[in-house]
Amino acid sequence: KNEVEQSPQNLTAQEGEFITINCSYSVGISALHWLQQHPGGGIVSLFMLSSGKKKHGRLIATINIQEKHSSLHITASHPRDSAVYICAVGSGGGADGLTFGKGTHLIIQP
Amino acid sequence: NAGVMQNPRHLVRRRGQEARLRCSPMKGHSHVYWYRQLPEEGLKFMVYLQKENIIDESGMPKERFSAEFPKEGPSILRIQQVVRGDSAAYFCASSPPGLAGASSYNEQFFGPGTRLTVL
Repeated sequence: KNEVEQSPQNLTAQEGEFITINCSYSVGISALHWLQQHPGGGIVSLFMLSSGKKKHGRLIATINIQEKHSSLHITASHPRDSAVYICAVGSGGGADGLTFGKGTHLIIQP
Repeated sequence: NAGVMQNPRHLVRRRGQEARLRCSPMKGHSHVYWYRQLPEEGLKFMVYLQKENIIDESGMPKERFSAEFPKEGPSILRIQQVVRGDSAAYFCASSPPGLAGASSYNEQFFGPGTRLTVL
């Protein structure tokens, strides 16, 4: 069973700061997902990656398969980025349900 | 292309009643996943279905919970004789069939969730 650890658990930063959220997992995976959950509860998929790096607007996600570690970066953070960011891993092989980290509560203050 | 749809968005039940949660996947998606988010806890996998088949139900409680994804119509998560501990947000996600049938290689798209409150 995969264990997914996220850090930090809570993060408060000022508008414009560079944000990094980390995710580590214990067992080899087929893909890693970064999700965003806003107050009110809806979940949006930000990235799915199995190697390297992906960029979408101000968001960047990287993964190091050998070290079983991924990071989510937010450049030029804005109060609308305030949300819970969740790392999730899929192991594949027919048992494709995701295993989730506990999430990082991010607050960006103006 | 409409996203994943779930209904109802909010459901209130009294202890002992039945709860039926519905999920319509995105067009062209044949894989459905159900997840539960208990208050102040993270998301947990419950069940993974393809059309007319349960592929993995390792996260589903053994009693009172069942899921189906019929050939026609939405996927249904059914909770019989609900208890207060069933109060949670239930999310459905869908993905398209992947290469060699391995859907973990495909992104999962989440519905808005159904918030179940058991009185």
